[in-house]
Amino acid sequence: GDSVTQMEGPVTLSEEAFLTINCTYTATGYPSLFWYVQYPGEGLQLLLKATKADDKGSNKGFEATYRKETTSFHLEKGSVQVSDSAVYFCALRDTGGFKTIFGAGTRLFVKA
Amino acid sequence: DAGVTQSPTHLIKTRGQQVTLRCSPKSGHDTVSWYQQALGQGPQFIFQYYEEEERQRGNFPDRFSGHQFPNYSSELNVNALLLGDSALYLCASSLEGISSYEQYFGPGTRLTVT
Repeated sequence: GDSVTQMEGPVTLSEEAFLTINCTYTATGYPSLFWYVQYPGEGLQLLLKATKADDKGSNKGFEATYRKETTSFHLEKGSVQVSDSAVYFCALRDTGGFKTIFGAGTRLFVKA
Repeated sequence: DAGVTQSPTHLIKTRGQQVTLRCSPKSGHDTVSWYQQALGQGPQFIFQYYEEEERQRGNFPDRFSGHQFPNYSSELNVNALLLGDSALYLCASSLEGISSYEQYFGPGTRLTVT
């Protein structure tokens, strides 16, 4: 079945460092891909999305490019802030499907 | 504009009991999905309701059931609780159509089974 694999955390960075969180997926069709963020004590929020190959999703300085050839959707940010500390989830949704499949999440700590 | 709301916030139940969790979708949304998030894991899809019917179900036993009301709110019922049912239960709402992938999540209900 479809699945999402993302790098294990926690990831600890200093403020203004470059962030990469790796995500790869397995899917039979042409899924849409997402990154969600979960801040402490809050629900999940959609961070960015890409619905077809080579699309780049971006929001709040975060970016991810849908790479069909490598089945990847890595999350990047050029300069992280303390306020970016959260858990990040990579997810996919099959074309025509109704469920979203999530990875296990990667916790990010950013130190001042 | 109220977002997705869930009640209760926390719940403690005993093994074998039954529980009902409630969700009100974001204003204007007509579709509700339920997810189970175990500690340290990603959310797992339980089922989705649209037009008061369950239209897709994840890999969860029949002990998990749900309902959607005419006002689009929803309930999740779990019977014969097991210790392994302890988790954060998330409700997500969306609007059927080309943006149906855009789900808004509630803060969740933390269920502890002792």
